[in-house]
Amino acid sequence: QLQLQESGPGLVKPSETLSLTCTVSGGSISSSSYYWGWIRQPPGKGLEWIGSIYYSGSTYYNPSLKSRVTISVDTSKNQFSLKLSSVTAADTAVYYCARRGIAARPWRDWGQGTLVTVSS
Amino acid sequence: QSVLTQPPSVSGAPGQRVTISCTGSSSNIGAGYDVHWYQQLPGTAPKLLIYGNSNRPSGVPDRFSGSKSGTSASLAITGLQAEDEADYYCQSYDSSLSASHVVFGGGTKLTVL
Repeated sequence: QLQLQESGPGLVKPSETLSLTCTVSGGSISSSSYYWGWIRQPPGKGLEWIGSIYYSGSTYYNPSLKSRVTISVDTSKNQFSLKLSSVTAADTAVYYCARRGIAARPWRDWGQGTLVTVSS
Repeated sequence: QSVLTQPPSVSGAPGQRVTISCTGSSSNIGAGYDVHWYQQLPGTAPKLLIYGNSNRPSGVPDRFSGSKSGTSASLAITGLQAEDEADYYCQSYDSSLSASHVVFGGGTKLTVL
């Protein structure tokens, strides 16, 4: 049974960098059959894709966030990470990590999500 | 201003049928990309409901069905039940910029009257 678990600070100051890690258990992040991604949801609002990464390290980012986002993978720890720089209150959201198959497949597996609040 | 447009809300009485539309354009749904649907119960992560336009994952009741035509897709729920009250999101891919990327609809809140 695949499990994804987000971890990281729940409070980040404006202008700083938000950093989250997703730990994968019950499956290998090195599989060539999947992409791993981050999706966020501001309170009371809809879902927004942040970006995706393949086990090889190839990354794909939301054009609206691309200048501030870095997603990386650590195959030795079976983890992938998100860094979002220069955050503002608009970046306050529940952040989900998720897995999808290759070739435009759906996001089938999700973490439980973690709330990150941007505030001084 | 989501790339995929959904009605903000729909409602129906128990036992009734409701549909939720998802309207895109020639760079996403109309380009041939599949549409997927997710159900999000309050306080929980989204759950895959329909994949590949019309396929149900194991465990999803056949009361839920999906379809796609042209630049739009629809989710239909028949025999509405109280437990169906949730937010529903469509998702596809868009190739309007240099590379294809994931896009979501703005979400539809379903209220069971």
